[in-house]
Amino acid sequence: GAVVSQHPSRVICKSGTSVKIECRSLDFQATTMFWYRQFPKQSLMLMATSNEGSKATYEQGVEKDKFLINHASLTLSTLTVTSAHPEDSSFYICSAPTQQVFGEKLFFGSGTQLSVL
Amino acid sequence: LAKTTQPISMDSYEGQEVNITCSHNNIATNDYITWYQQFPSQGPRFIIQGYKTKVTNEVASLFIPADRKSSTLSLPRVSLSDTAVYYCLVGDIPQAGTALIFGKGTTLSVSS
Repeated sequence: GAVVSQHPSRVICKSGTSVKIECRSLDFQATTMFWYRQFPKQSLMLMATSNEGSKATYEQGVEKDKFLINHASLTLSTLTVTSAHPEDSSFYICSAPTQQVFGEKLFFGSGTQLSVL
Repeated sequence: LAKTTQPISMDSYEGQEVNITCSHNNIATNDYITWYQQFPSQGPRFIIQGYKTKVTNEVASLFIPADRKSSTLSLPRVSLSDTAVYYCLVGDIPQAGTALIFGKGTTLSVSS
């Protein structure tokens, strides 16, 4: 089946630095990808919708200047957390929909655990 | 997007059948019902998807009544490895290009 690869799986950084997370659709093209954030023992919260070749759509309350999203190709979307602070520490997950008619239509990456010191 | 309501938690023992019911009173005509499983520090994993009536695959069954305002995920003979959070999601994907919105999910704890 379709696979979404997300890297890195874990990153630790100092406060004030920027971190880039990559999300790739390995065997299908994704004009749209979704980025979620998950705090411990909470559900996934949609942050933004990444659109290939155009600007991302951010959910209310998500700072677009802090969470930069680039979807430069049909198989790659990146999320850059700029000037990261400890409160940005979270589990970030990307997902991509396919055009499959039956069965699983939305595939998720394995997630990135960000820890900001 | 339809809002879903699930029990926060459920407990079970190995070998038992577990049924998790999800309410989605505002489901739209084009919406599918999809269930995902999530282990700690992992991305959600697809379990099953349906539109109406009953769907069965190698890991679970999904029962959807005619009015589609609820659905029940049935896990036969659970094991310790089924301990996870289960999410019921409703939405029209991928045609609409809209994301699935996660509710709080159901934490299933399986004991020996």
